Amino acid sequence: AQRVTQPEKLLSVFKGAPVELKCNYSYSGSPELFWYVQYSRQRLQLLLRHISRESIKGFTADLNKGETSFHLKKPFAQEEDSAMYYCALSVEGSNYKLTFGKGTLLTVNP
Amino acid sequence: GAVVSQHPSWVICKSGTSVKIECRSLDFQATTMFWYRQFPKQSLMLMATSNEGSKATYEQGVEKDKFLINHASLTLSTLTVTSAHPEDSSFYICSARDLGDSSYEQYFGPGTRLTVT
Repeated sequence: AQRVTQPEKLLSVFKGAPVELKCNYSYSGSPELFWYVQYSRQRLQLLLRHISRESIKGFTADLNKGETSFHLKKPFAQEEDSAMYYCALSVEGSNYKLTFGKGTLLTVNP
Repeated sequence: GAVVSQHPSWVICKSGTSVKIECRSLDFQATTMFWYRQFPKQSLMLMATSNEGSKATYEQGVEKDKFLINHASLTLSTLTVTSAHPEDSSFYICSARDLGDSSYEQYFGPGTRLTVT
């Protein structure tokens, strides 16, 4: 079965510093990878997905099949980036189910 | 666009009673909806996949007789927690896939806080 690992439960950085949230997955095929974000008291929302290869709010994520990773990066963190970030994957034939990692709480300090 | 609502947003019920939670896709049609459970400061745990017009598919360890799911239309799925007990207290979140979207993206509802006393 597929699995998503986010090794950091908490991550704290200062405003303007680079930030990287790690995500590793285990799946033998080609999954579709996502990053979801949950701001305080708001619903979960899609931040980005690997197939679109876009940058949202300054965040990027590159799928590295060799390392089975999909780390989320931003060169200059902002206070409004403070939130819970979840990495998730979906695989073909799973009826579009998402498997979530445990999440990383990012705090950007002023 | 792509908004999912849940009702109620929070509910308190007595042990032994049943509670129904609604999940609606407001501006799109969804043949597939998902129900998750989230414990405090923990990740989302998929409970079941709700398929319009057919039986729900439950994840291993989830009691289908306790968590009844009905997906009678393309915009509404309901989760009924039957004979609720305090250990069922949790945050229940639904999500939905847009019928017209070929990607794996899901749109999430705001969640329902259930407290069983």
